[in-house]
Amino acid sequence: QQQVKQSPQSLIVQKGGISIINCAYENTAFDYFPWYQQFPGKGPALLIAIRPDVSEKKEGRFTISFNKSAKQFSLHIMDSQPGDSATYFCAASGNWNTDKLIFGTGTRLQVFP
Amino acid sequence: EAGVVQSPRYKIIEKKQPVAFWCNPISGHNTLYWYRQNLGQGPELLIRYENEEAVDDSQLPKDRFSAERLKGVDSTLKIQPAELGDSAVYLCASSHWQGSYNEQFFGPGTRLTVL
Repeated sequence: QQQVKQSPQSLIVQKGGISIINCAYENTAFDYFPWYQQFPGKGPALLIAIRPDVSEKKEGRFTISFNKSAKQFSLHIMDSQPGDSATYFCAASGNWNTDKLIFGTGTRLQVFP
Repeated sequence: EAGVVQSPRYKIIEKKQPVAFWCNPISGHNTLYWYRQNLGQGPELLIRYENEEAVDDSQLPKDRFSAERLKGVDSTLKIQPAELGDSAVYLCASSHWQGSYNEQFFGPGTRLTVL
């Protein structure tokens, strides 16, 4: 019930294309769903986050889509750029567990020019 | 604003040796976390501090791992003795309440290799 399942494990996209990464969770007590971006040799950095009271959140080229009934959420990167090449992690937490983040296994995104 | 600082960045030791990692969180952040990230995996929480108090250490292998956060600022994570399976990146993060969520800021991590 604590798991967050993430797919795909790796993704190759051409420059200008749309990158889509999916995550699913089981525990309905989760109420905060962030996405982190990690470059090699760096720590994860918060990219965008959503609460379950909205179905979509957009920040620039990055959009989270949230489906509460299906217990799924996804990250869409529009107009993907080579600089977006990194590993992306979804995560989930809830006030009930003192905001402990449960991370997915990560998606390695490569954007080719 | 300076980010989370960790040292050393890399450490190579032989099994059964002790090792320690240091973390300096972002100024003003009361909450500090230690995570372990195995190769190809997401970070997993080891311990969380609220000021000086360890409020969640349920995932910390207490037979060989220990941590402290004196004066509620810097923190040290220690492993003694290290085992081959401890090879991983150890991440420190800190956070402060944003009004509706607790954004965590991560340091660059310490990559530990146990031979």
